[in-house]
Amino acid sequence: NAGVMQNPRHLVRRRGQEARLRCSPMKGHSHVYWYRQLPEEGLKFMVYLQKENIIDESGMPKERFSAEFPKEGPSILRIQQVVRGDSAAYFCASSPPGLSSQDTQYFGPGTRLTVL
Amino acid sequence: SQQGEEDPQALSIQEGENATMNCSYKTSINNLQWYRQNSGRGLVHLILIRSNEREKHSGRLRVTLDTSKKSSSLLITASRAADTASYFCASHNTDKLIFGTGTRLQVFP
Repeated sequence: NAGVMQNPRHLVRRRGQEARLRCSPMKGHSHVYWYRQLPEEGLKFMVYLQKENIIDESGMPKERFSAEFPKEGPSILRIQQVVRGDSAAYFCASSPPGLSSQDTQYFGPGTRLTVL
Repeated sequence: SQQGEEDPQALSIQEGENATMNCSYKTSINNLQWYRQNSGRGLVHLILIRSNEREKHSGRLRVTLDTSKKSSSLLITASRAADTASYFCASHNTDKLIFGTGTRLQVFP
């Protein structure tokens, strides 16, 4: 059973470009979470999605950031018009359906975004 | 900010010694979890302790939880050079994990 997969692992963008980060949850998992980690800091929650629904986006910046988890395919975190402050590691985690199953989230290897 | 805090920020010890890291959190929790992160890598789940538990063991790891003080500690016994990493606590509140600031542990051979 493959773990959570993220791609690309490294992404370089110039200011003003768009960044698209992909996350494929573990097989059978229907809950996806995105976290951001700035250098030398802990992870900060961004958004929690289930298939075709955003459940909690309290950690998402109000502008330029969006996330989706379509019925088919990976979850996408999209950052429009990137700025240098968006440079960070973005981690995706997944968990299986069911309340108690949400206790443990399984993390992917992360995408490291560098904005030049 | 809801982010928890960990102390110390950095810890250097010799192989064989014990390492203790402390974590404080701010909100009510379902459980508290500890993760490890090697430099430039993803997170590895170490241990989960539920809000109605006070202590839990897993191998060389021992975790305590004091919900009245909103604090937890992670003890790694008989440390090894391979334990060198950053360690994060994460409080689980409804649907999300709220991470602490992390402790960078360096174990010298």
